Amino acid sequence: NAGVTQTPKFRVLKTGQSMTLLCAQDMNHEYMYWYRQDPGMGLRLIHYSVGEGTTAKGEVPDGYNVSRLKKQNFLLGLESAAPSQTSVYFCASRGLAGTGELFFGEGSRLTVL
Amino acid sequence: RKEVEQDPGPFNVPEGATVAFNCTYSNSASQSFFWYRQDCRKEPKLLMSVYSSGNEDGRFTAQLNRASQYISLLIRDSKLSDSATYLCVVYGNKLVFGAGTILRVKS
Repeated sequence: NAGVTQTPKFRVLKTGQSMTLLCAQDMNHEYMYWYRQDPGMGLRLIHYSVGEGTTAKGEVPDGYNVSRLKKQNFLLGLESAAPSQTSVYFCASRGLAGTGELFFGEGSRLTVL
Repeated sequence: RKEVEQDPGPFNVPEGATVAFNCTYSNSASQSFFWYRQDCRKEPKLLMSVYSSGNEDGRFTAQLNRASQYISLLIRDSKLSDSATYLCVVYGNKLVFGAGTILRVKS
């Protein structure tokens, strides 16, 4: 049972480069989220999606774009990476029913030089 | 004021101790409350939901105080394996995470 899978797990970028983080879930969840976690700041929501083809901005969306073309996948893009985007990125998903529990991927560690 | 606030700690306790964390929230309309556990460099995982009447799961007890707008987590008989960061999560019109409380249990 894979749950939520993020790729890549580690990446080093130079300022100005672009990249895409992929999140895939096999639980048929409607909601998917991208968070970033920085020391002492907790998890901050970047973008989220309430279903296939829909996306919305979270707390810190600037510098990121997302797409949800398929229900199971949620992509996070950085068009022009900046050192301030050095962080650990977590994807999470949640179903409509149940306890409201968020299921997280293992995280993607991004360093922007 | 942050929407969800936690004492960052660290709380350093010996094995077998009882330890409690509080988490305060600012949105009085918040509906659901959770405690997540996050091990070092790992993803957060649900520890327990917090119900209005309070709830217990083994050595862990969660309480909600709506009047004072805080939730608490009590851990009895602490184990070395309880060492982690404990995240408070509050759901009003959105999910908000606290920054976490670090617990270190020492032998």
